Amino acid sequence: AQRVTQPEKLLSVFKGAPVELKCNYSYSGSPELFWYVQYSRQRLQLLLRHISRESIKGFTADLNKGETSFHLKKPFAQEEDSAMYYCALSGRSGGSNYKLTFGKGTLLTVNP
Amino acid sequence: NAGVMQNPRHLVRRRGQEARLRCSPMKGHSHVYWYRQLPEEGLKFMVYLQKENIIDESGMPKERFSAEFPKEGPSILRIQQVVRGDSAAYFCASSPNSVPTGTPFFGPGTRLTVT
Repeated sequence: AQRVTQPEKLLSVFKGAPVELKCNYSYSGSPELFWYVQYSRQRLQLLLRHISRESIKGFTADLNKGETSFHLKKPFAQEEDSAMYYCALSGRSGGSNYKLTFGKGTLLTVNP
Repeated sequence: NAGVMQNPRHLVRRRGQEARLRCSPMKGHSHVYWYRQLPEEGLKFMVYLQKENIIDESGMPKERFSAEFPKEGPSILRIQQVVRGDSAAYFCASSPNSVPTGTPFFGPGTRLTVT
C-alpha cells in the first residue's frame, strides 16, 4: 500500500529563517513525488515534482530513496510562503499512475 | 482558460437528502478525478473518469455514491441519503492526459456540510 506521512501538522518560522517541511513515503515500486501548496482561499496548485528537479519560488526538494523521504526546503522563508503544503505521490508506471496519494498536510506560518 | 470550476462552493444538506456536486474541467481536458478531504485528513482519491466512462472507482464508497462525466456538460458527483460522515471538502481535478505526464489541475473544492 502506498502512504505519505507529513509528521508536522503545524510549522512556524520567522521571516528569513530556513524552513524544511518533512515528507516520508511508503511505496513498493518507483514513485513520483510532488509538493502541492494551498494559499489562503485559493485552490491547490502544484509547487514542484521531483522528476523535473526544478526550484520554484526558492523551494527545492530532493528524493532520498534510502530514507524514503522528499523533504521540502527553502533557505530563507518569506511571509508570502505561509500556506498549507501537501506532499503527494503516484506510481510512475502501471495501471494506476494517475492516482495521487496525499499526506495530511503541514500548515506553514512565516512570522514577520 | 478559467481553470477547473466547481459548484456549488458550499453545500448544506440535511441527513437523508441528496447532494450533487458539479465539476467543469479545464477546456481541452478529458480526464476528471474526484478527491475527498475529511477534516484533519489529506485528500483521498475517489474516482477517475473520462468522457462517458468510469475508469477507476476504487476509492468510492460502495453505497450511496456515484459519479458520471457525460459527453456534454460537467462531471457530477452524487451522494444519496447523506449522513454526517459525508461532511467533507470534495475536490475535482482535470488533466489533458493521465498523471504524471499531465499533472492534474485542481478546482477550488465544494465544502459539503450535513446537518
